[in-house]
Amino acid sequence: EVQLLESGGGLVQPGGSLRLSCTTSGFTFRNYAMSWVRQAPGKGLEWVSSIWSSGDTTYYADSVKGRFTISRDNSKNTLSLQMNSLRADDTAVYYCAKIEFGDYGAFDIWGQGTMVTVSS
Amino acid sequence: EIVLTQSPATLSLSPGERATLSCRASQSVSNYLAWYQQKPGQAPRLLIYDASNRATGIPARFSGSGSGTDFTLTISSLEPEDFAVYHCQQRSSWPLSFGGGTKVEIK
Repeated sequence: EVQLLESGGGLVQPGGSLRLSCTTSGFTFRNYAMSWVRQAPGKGLEWVSSIWSSGDTTYYADSVKGRFTISRDNSKNTLSLQMNSLRADDTAVYYCAKIEFGDYGAFDIWGQGTMVTVSS
Repeated sequence: EIVLTQSPATLSLSPGERATLSCRASQSVSNYLAWYQQKPGQAPRLLIYDASNRATGIPARFSGSGSGTDFTLTISSLEPEDFAVYHCQQRSSWPLSFGGGTKVEIK
């Protein structure tokens, strides 16, 4: 069974940092692009960042560019999101999601999400 | 950046009725559009990819159509478990984007 499990969320002060992790199982991680998608309380979904299967290409939403860094460890089947200079509007549930066909496709598998709250 | 506009924001229907949800793109996304279902407290679930292909395990009452800028998700006969929020998403160009969602509620 394909599974994604996020961790690392919590309460952080504005300007602080947090590192999210997504531990995966049930599929050949190194063959698939991965992404982070977030959802602020009561709001819609917002794509945050994606990384290709090889790890050599990354994309970011303008809202997080220069503050967040996506990375992956294909030897540990793990996806990460380093979040710096956090702001109140980064408060959201953060989901990791698998891309369905290698480096292209929709988000076919999602984790359960981890909550990030940015507040003083 | 491609903006996706979903309508209506809320759809009030009864079980057994047909639901028609719309997603309009600010520029052509070809057929690179997906639909997701999300229930309260749960992660989204992929329903339709590339405009009209049902994802694995999705019932046949869900169907997608459209290309270019106008897309439709149809639920032919609503089951009690179908009342949820539906999101569309384009993968035609970066940045990826989602629509604002349509809530299908029980009338």
